[in-house]
Amino acid sequence: GAVVSQHPSWVICKSGTSVKIECRSLDFQATTMFWYRQFPKQSLMLMATSNEGSKATYEQGVEKDKFLINHASLTLSTLTVTSAHPEDSSFYICSARGLGYGNEQFFGPGTRLTVL
Amino acid sequence: SQKIEQNSEALNIQEGKTATLTCNYTNYSPAYLQWYRQDPGRGPVFLLLIRENEKEKRKERLKVTFDTTLKQSLFHITASQPADSATYLCARGDQGGKLIFGQGTELSVKP
Repeated sequence: GAVVSQHPSWVICKSGTSVKIECRSLDFQATTMFWYRQFPKQSLMLMATSNEGSKATYEQGVEKDKFLINHASLTLSTLTVTSAHPEDSSFYICSARGLGYGNEQFFGPGTRLTVL
Repeated sequence: SQKIEQNSEALNIQEGKTATLTCNYTNYSPAYLQWYRQDPGRGPVFLLLIRENEKEKRKERLKVTFDTTLKQSLFHITASQPADSATYLCARGDQGGKLIFGQGTELSVKP
């Protein structure tokens, strides 16, 4: 099956610093990657959609200058949380769609971000 | 706006019984609905997809229905086991691939 990895699995940082999260499709080419955020006991909220080689499309209310998304290749997308604050602490999850897999999205294991 | 609503109350059932989870959507029918399993601290795992023109889909002990009249999908786990305990997420999808998730229903199967 299609596997998506995320790195790091957890990160703790100081307020004001930037954090980069990587999302990789390990055994397939991801034409589209999605980034979600999930607060405790809440649902996954889509932050942005990114297609390889083009700018990400952000959902309403998500600051594009704060959450920088780069989809440089068919196997890698990165999310950078710039000038992180405690309210950015959350569980960040990426997913990927690939050719031949139809509408199925494969999710990464998630990254727990804690901003002190 | 498109919404997905799941029963936020946890569902507790006895091992061997059938668990039934409900997912309701608003406005127009989505192109498809997907069901995922999520364990604490982990990413969701895909279980089943059912399209708008499909009434029912099965996979081993799992069954999903799609009722466009009621604007509802039901997710059944037959012969439930303690290992089935998890949060189950329903998501509506459009042709562009975007998913809108419900808040999930926590299932607990007692031995």
